[in-house]
Parts: sequence; structure tokens; C-alpha cells
Amino acid sequence: GAGVSQSPSNKVTEKGKDVELRCDPISGHTALYWYRQSLGQGLEFLIYFQGNSAPDKSGLPSDRFSAERTGGSVSTLTIQRTQQEDSAVYLCASTQNIAPSGYGYTFGSGTRLTVV
Amino acid sequence: AQSVTQLGSHVSVSEGALVLLRCNYSSSVPPYLFWYVQYPNQGLQLLLKYTTGATLVKGINGFEAEFKKSETSFHLTKPSAHMSDAAEYFCAVRSVTDKLIFGTGTRLQVFP
Repeated sequence: GAGVSQSPSNKVTEKGKDVELRCDPISGHTALYWYRQSLGQGLEFLIYFQGNSAPDKSGLPSDRFSAERTGGSVSTLTIQRTQQEDSAVYLCASTQNIAPSGYGYTFGSGTRLTVV
Repeated sequence: AQSVTQLGSHVSVSEGALVLLRCNYSSSVPPYLFWYVQYPNQGLQLLLKYTTGATLVKGINGFEAEFKKSETSFHLTKPSAHMSDAAEYFCAVRSVTDKLIFGTGTRLQVFP
């Protein structure tokens, strides 16, 4: 597609429920990143994919968080047993290369998750 | 390790005034540096970047930034602020593992 697409744009869920957030990167972009932006905070790195593998998942805050990428394209971030502190905007970005190419990222508009 | 410090979480300027948003970085390797802008309820948009070469980098919307190695700085400037520049601005440095490390952001307000 023309840009990075994220869905849903907004999600309200009850504490304890599982949620899935979807990211559809720009076609041909091999690297995909997930970040979390909490109110008043900067961007917190969660995980990145090169193709379908995740060389760096060091930012996932707990084992309730997981992510996968299939076909080198769409990625899904899953949060199990959501907690109120999971409320944030989850941003996805993609880039056409890794290994420091200096391209910078193209970001999606994010999914605003609210846990009530 | 790489890190970014943005001085001033909020900056207010009058329309037509100079915009200066400060960013200092720490990097154990030659840095790649970026400025992003985020408008309300939107994702981040790349303003400009420095990788190698010319240290004064020009970006979109009249913004520019100068890489100063001796000061480990990459401050963002614009000679004359517009109302439409009101947004949050993030400085970032590329880490050795190729992820971007962001500062905590600076919210720019522009008053008429």
C-alpha cells in the first residue's frame, strides 16, 4: 500500500481481555517496528522484525506481549490479559532496509488502546 | 549505548518568531540522527535526517538542523514559526542494532 496501515485506530477493552493490533507495512519494506507511546512519554521500542524473524524483542514489557509477522508483510501485536497500564498508542513503522541505511521509518497512524 | 535528550518538554513562540528545539545525543558509533513531527492523533512524520556529509540538513516545512559533533547536538530550527507548526517534535538516533531511540519529545505551541 501507499502507507503503513494500522487497525483498529481505536480500541477500548475490558481489563483482563486479550487484544490484537494489526500493522500492514509499505509493500516491499523488509523491516517492521512496534513502538508504544504512553501519555506524556516518548516512544518506547517494543520489537522489530526483519522479514518474519524478530532479531530484537527486548522492549516487550512482559510475557503478556507477543508479536508475529507472516509472509514478510502483515504483523500482529497481541496483548493478553490486558491491564490498565497497557493503555497507550501503539505505533507501527516500516523501512525498506536495515543495516544502517539511514532511510528513517514510515509510521502508521497508530492504534489507541484504552483498557477500562 | 545510544541515547537522546530533548531539553524542554514545552516550547512556546509567537507566530513569526524563531523556533529552536534542542536535541543532544550520545552514541558510541557515528550517529544517524532524525527529527520527526507528530500532529494530533496522527503518526510520526519524518522532518529531516542526518547520516553523513553536509552537517546542515534541510527538511520539509522550512525546518533545518545542524549536526555538531563537538557539541553532540542536533538542534532543530525554523526562522519564522507558523501556526501550523504547532505539534510535538521528536529527535531520534539510530542504535547499533538499527532501531531508532527517541527522545521524550517537545511540544511546540505557536501563539498569534
